[in-house]
Amino acid sequence: EVQLVESGGGLVQPGGSLRLSCAASGFTFSSHGMHWVRQAPGKGLEYVSGINRDGVSTFYASSVKGRFTISRDNSKNTVYLQMGSLIPEDTAVYYCARDADWACDYWGQGTLVTVSS
Amino acid sequence: QSALTQPPSASGSPGQSVTISCTGTSSDVGGYNYVSWYQQHPGKAPKLMIYEVTKRPSGVPDRFSGSKSGNTASLTVSGLQAEDEADYYCSSYAGSKTWVFGGGTKLTVL
Repeated sequence: EVQLVESGGGLVQPGGSLRLSCAASGFTFSSHGMHWVRQAPGKGLEYVSGINRDGVSTFYASSVKGRFTISRDNSKNTVYLQMGSLIPEDTAVYYCARDADWACDYWGQGTLVTVSS
Repeated sequence: QSALTQPPSASGSPGQSVTISCTGTSSDVGGYNYVSWYQQHPGKAPKLMIYEVTKRPSGVPDRFSGSKSGNTASLTVSGLQAEDEADYYCSSYAGSKTWVFGGGTKLTVL
């Protein structure tokens, strides 16, 4: 059974940093690209970042480019999202999702990030 | 990257069909056959319902179908059931290795 479990969310002050993790199981992790998608409270989905199977190619939404960094450790079956220079608008539930030919076929349960003083 | 345009709400009675539209541009929906649709129930993670415009993942009922014409993609739910009541989001590849989502449509089963 495919499982994606996010962790690392919490309350952080504006300008602060946070690292999210997503532990994968139930499939060959190194065979799939991975994505982060967020959802602000009461709002819609927003694409954040993606990484290909071997971690060589990464991509970012313009709203987070230069502030967030995605990475992966295939030996640990884990994808990360390092978030910096956080602003209140980054407050959201962050989902990690598995790539399946430019769609997300499995999603984690999400982790809440709150940016507030 | 501008969000794709979806109607905020849609509704239908049990057994009826409803279609949700998703309008983009030639740089996203119209330019690629990588449109997907997601169903999200309150407090839950999104679930993939349609990918590559028309394909259904295993386990998704064939009551759900997708199509595209020009810059507009559509999701049709036939034979509406109570459990179909949820938020639906479209998504498209938008070039430069990034994606764009629609604003979401709240489907109500009357």
